[in-house]
Amino acid sequence: ILNVEQSPQSLHVQEGDSTNFTCSFPSSNFYALHWYRWETAKSPEALFVMTLNGDEKKKGRISATLNTKEGYSYLYIKGSQPEDSATYLCASAGGTDKLIFGTGTRLQVFP
Amino acid sequence: DTAVSQTPKYLVTQMGNDKSIKCEQNLGHDTMYWYKQDSKKFLKIMFSYNNKELIINETVPNRFSPKSPDKAHLNLHINSLELGDSAVYFCASSQLNRGTQYFGPGTRLTVL
Repeated sequence: ILNVEQSPQSLHVQEGDSTNFTCSFPSSNFYALHWYRWETAKSPEALFVMTLNGDEKKKGRISATLNTKEGYSYLYIKGSQPEDSATYLCASAGGTDKLIFGTGTRLQVFP
Repeated sequence: DTAVSQTPKYLVTQMGNDKSIKCEQNLGHDTMYWYKQDSKKFLKIMFSYNNKELIINETVPNRFSPKSPDKAHLNLHINSLELGDSAVYFCASSQLNRGTQYFGPGTRLTVL
């Protein structure tokens, strides 16, 4: 994988549903994996940075896992709320000085 | 206190004009970035400066020139604006290269 890819592209869920989405990134020269939350008309806000294989991070109802050997990370949201509606971006820092951002998963939570 | 600020928030201008967007961060970070959010809403890195030194310069037309007068400021100057330059431009900063980035509110540039 040469790029950072996220799936699905968009997701619609009902309030109270739990959901998850995937970020795939190059596993060679891995340095760190970032997750950002980006609400419409605002700027991206950092959620997590993960560096170690098997890392799990949690912030309230949102958690993330990391597999650096196979090059993927999952983001989970438990009991989705309308305020969780946003685009979730992942970004991989590999062998270069920059973060490569994925195209994002757009989550919409309906009341 | 705004951590990363950009001015202006909106910029509407005619084709062919020269314009600047300013960015300031008060986080004490060493590295600053400019990103362009393209028409498909993707975030693409344009430039990165570390301690006033250019470290990333992606394939961006040379009409775009970043300037870093000190490590708290990274301005973006655009010459001879074209219709395709219309986009939202985000400034960001981080303590380390490849570290967590803190984004400004964005500048929506519209070229008529």
